[in-house]
Amino acid sequence: SAVISQKPSRDICQRGTSLTIQCQVDSQVTMMFWYRQQPGQSLTLIATANQGSEATYESGFVIDKFPISRPNLTFSTLTVSNMSPEDSSIYLCSVGSRATDTQYFGPGTRLTVL
Amino acid sequence: GQQLNQSPQSMFIQEGEDVSMNCTSSSIFNTWLWYKQDPGEGPVLLIALYKAGELTSNGRLTAQFGITRKDSFLNISASIPSDVGIYFCAGYENSGYALNFGKGTSLLVTP
Repeated sequence: SAVISQKPSRDICQRGTSLTIQCQVDSQVTMMFWYRQQPGQSLTLIATANQGSEATYESGFVIDKFPISRPNLTFSTLTVSNMSPEDSSIYLCSVGSRATDTQYFGPGTRLTVL
Repeated sequence: GQQLNQSPQSMFIQEGEDVSMNCTSSSIFNTWLWYKQDPGEGPVLLIALYKAGELTSNGRLTAQFGITRKDSFLNISASIPSDVGIYFCAGYENSGYALNFGKGTSLLVTP
């Protein structure tokens, strides 16, 4: 399985600011995803990060709030914009393979918005 | 995607006991995955299942892909304190690309 790292591992931010989370994979992967895990909850898919094109967002998530970049096959960023306390969550990137139908997750970024 | 029905929501057991948890979906799945998440960490893939009726083991963990393709089970035998964590089921529908997750089973093991 791929080795996935995320930066930062955690952050405390002020309301109204933005935070960019980085996801780095040790090998080239076709499919990268961003998830949100609210406190005590399961994982919710935010979007699929597409290399060379705009991300594909799930219902309830919009590009203005969660802009995503995917400049190459090993790296992606997720920005949480104009943050409010409701954005306090763990944000996770994952890489997937439809060939094996599996997904592997990064360690997550724990975000607290005051 | 759909929210999978995972039960039980939590379990509090003694070391050495066996554990069973299950997950159901409202539609047919072609893949079932079981993850474990430790506090402050991302989910770690434990077992992947691809065929109806498939039974797969990973150490003391055994998981099965239900015959109806709408359910899956995870068993942990002879639990130990390091089994503590949240276990999530997940899966792909036949027609979907998004990974669907259950709400998780929180496992506590007392020595």
